[in-house]
Amino acid sequence: GNSVTQMEGPVTLSEEAFLTINCTYTATGYPSLFWYVQYPGEGLQLLLKATKADDKGSNKGFEATYRKETTSFHLEKGSVQVSDSAVYFCALSDSGGGADGLTFGKGTHLIIQP
Amino acid sequence: DAGVIQSPRHEVTEMGQEVTLRCKPISGHNSLFWYRQTMMRGLELLIYFNNNVPIDDSGMPEDRFSAKMPNASFSTLKIQPSEPRDSAVYFCASRPGIQYEQFFGPGTRLTVL
Repeated sequence: GNSVTQMEGPVTLSEEAFLTINCTYTATGYPSLFWYVQYPGEGLQLLLKATKADDKGSNKGFEATYRKETTSFHLEKGSVQVSDSAVYFCALSDSGGGADGLTFGKGTHLIIQP
Repeated sequence: DAGVIQSPRHEVTEMGQEVTLRCKPISGHNSLFWYRQTMMRGLELLIYFNNNVPIDDSGMPEDRFSAKMPNASFSTLKIQPSEPRDSAVYFCASRPGIQYEQFFGPGTRLTVL
């Protein structure tokens, strides 16, 4: 079956530090990969996505590259801000065009200190 | 668009009571998903619908849980009878038919005493 493994937090960084949150996956087909972000008390919001190997998703200074050879989709940001404090979820969809649900990692709680 | 709408936002009930959670997907989206989030198990897919038809309910914990989608603009998730271990945040999400991105509602925080 499908699974997503991501580093567990909390991850605590100082403002302007470089961020990496690791994510690896197992899938039976050719999945699409996503990073969602959840701010306190809110639902999940799509941060970025990549639908095929070597694609790079990017948004709000965050980037992640779909690496099929290492089955990874690590999230990076060059300079984090206090407002980036949230829980980040790596997820995959292995629908092959169908309408299945997402398989999520456990989430990584990111804390940015001023 | 208003986004995915869920109600209630918070629900506190006693063990054995029936609980009904409601979801209005984004207009035009033809796939709808129910997820449950707990500290222990993270985010779990419970059931999803495509064009109002349940496609996969293998994630529904047990017979106490049921979900319906009577039309394209409304879905319910019902727990009867509720138990303390059902306490969680329940999310509804919808998606356009040909794309992979899902749009999540704000969630319903359920507490069963």
